[in-house]
Amino acid sequence: DTGVSQDPRHKITKRGQNVTFRCDPISEHNRLYWYRQTLGQGPEFLTYFQNEAQLEKSRLLSDRFSAERPKGSFSTLEIQRTEQGDSAMYLCASSEGYEQYFGPGTRLTVT
Amino acid sequence: SQQGEEDPQALSIQEGENATMNCSYKTSINNLQWYRQNSGRGLVHLILIRSNEREKHSGRLRVTLDTSKKSSSLLITASRAADTASYFCATDDRSNYQLIWGAGTKLIIKP
Repeated sequence: DTGVSQDPRHKITKRGQNVTFRCDPISEHNRLYWYRQTLGQGPEFLTYFQNEAQLEKSRLLSDRFSAERPKGSFSTLEIQRTEQGDSAMYLCASSEGYEQYFGPGTRLTVT
Repeated sequence: SQQGEEDPQALSIQEGENATMNCSYKTSINNLQWYRQNSGRGLVHLILIRSNEREKHSGRLRVTLDTSKKSSSLLITASRAADTASYFCATDDRSNYQLIWGAGTKLIIKP
């Protein structure tokens, strides 16, 4: 297994457009997490799944953000009507226990 | 929200010297983890210390945990250029597997 993968690695979009990111976790991991990270800051929790169930969602996450994990495998994070403030690195991680394994991230730039 | 706070925010030392970073947190935890992030490899798990442990070693890394002071330290001995990175502490929310992160310490190892 090659670890957690994310696609795309970079995304440039215009304000108001919708974007979707994909994360493929390590296959035997039942937990999957999405984080957002801006320059000079630590990761900020967005949401997490145990298998296909979305168990937690950050209060900071607006209604424009939605995540899915159909069949408990890969996950998608969609941002609707993007705003310039959404520009950040979006990280995905998976875990079996407490230790989390991160993907390379998707860097989103909203112009 | 950011629970952990790393100190110092930035640290620059000569190769071969030891580097010490500190982390403080606010609530009761099950465990505390340290991660490293550099541009080449993304976020990588370094070490986990449980709340009933006081010290843990892994190679050149030494982590201490003082739950009475809600603080932890990470010591990297005999630093190398490849240790240049940002180091984050992350604590769990005792009700689930969600991690709460600090803003990190940026470590620069000068040759």
